[in-house]
Amino acid sequence: DQQVKQNSPSLSVQEGRISILNCDYTNSMFDYFLWYKKYPAEGPTFLISISSIKDKNEDGRFTVFLNKSAKHLSLHIVPSQPGDSAVYFCAAGLGGTSYGKLTFGQGTILTVHP
Amino acid sequence: ETGVTQSPTHLIKTRGQQVTLRCSSQSGHNTVSWYQQALGQGPQFIFQYYREEENGRGNFPPRFSGLQFPNYSSELNVNALELDDSALYLCASSLGDLAGQETQYFGPGTRLLVL
Repeated sequence: DQQVKQNSPSLSVQEGRISILNCDYTNSMFDYFLWYKKYPAEGPTFLISISSIKDKNEDGRFTVFLNKSAKHLSLHIVPSQPGDSAVYFCAAGLGGTSYGKLTFGQGTILTVHP
Repeated sequence: ETGVTQSPTHLIKTRGQQVTLRCSSQSGHNTVSWYQQALGQGPQFIFQYYREEENGRGNFPPRFSGLQFPNYSSELNVNALELDDSALYLCASSLGDLAGQETQYFGPGTRLLVL
């Protein structure tokens, strides 16, 4: 049962343009959501998070949007840079006493071309 | 402030053997979570330790066990290794604020190959 899904295995974008990475989830009890970036041979690096009580959170070039009714979140990167090329994972957490367990999507490989 | 570290970086074992992976949490963090990442998949939650006690477990058999020490470092032990245990094992630490929504910070992982 895949509770968090990233349906696009890969995305290719030109430098300077917007990258939009998408994530869908099925469990309406998820309390918060996170995006991680992963380079080869490294662990996932935390990028940005959003609580279920918000619909948008922004940090520099990164913005996460949450649409609870559609059970959908997206990560926008503007402007995209070649150094953003990596695998991006969305993750969801239940909060409360289950806060430790994060459920991850399968990842989307982002390639930003110079 | 030191980040999350894991050892060893790579490991090769044969079926039936046992393995111990180690993790040092980020300074100030009292909670450690372990994840298994198979090739082409996202990380899957194995279990979490908070102040030396197991605090939640994913869908993994009992041959996956763990420990957390008073300094909040942690070990993941896997007995009777199977070929499907070949994966990247990730450790993540967090502050352990039970009232909050935790951001987990990951180490570089241990790549385990079971032959």
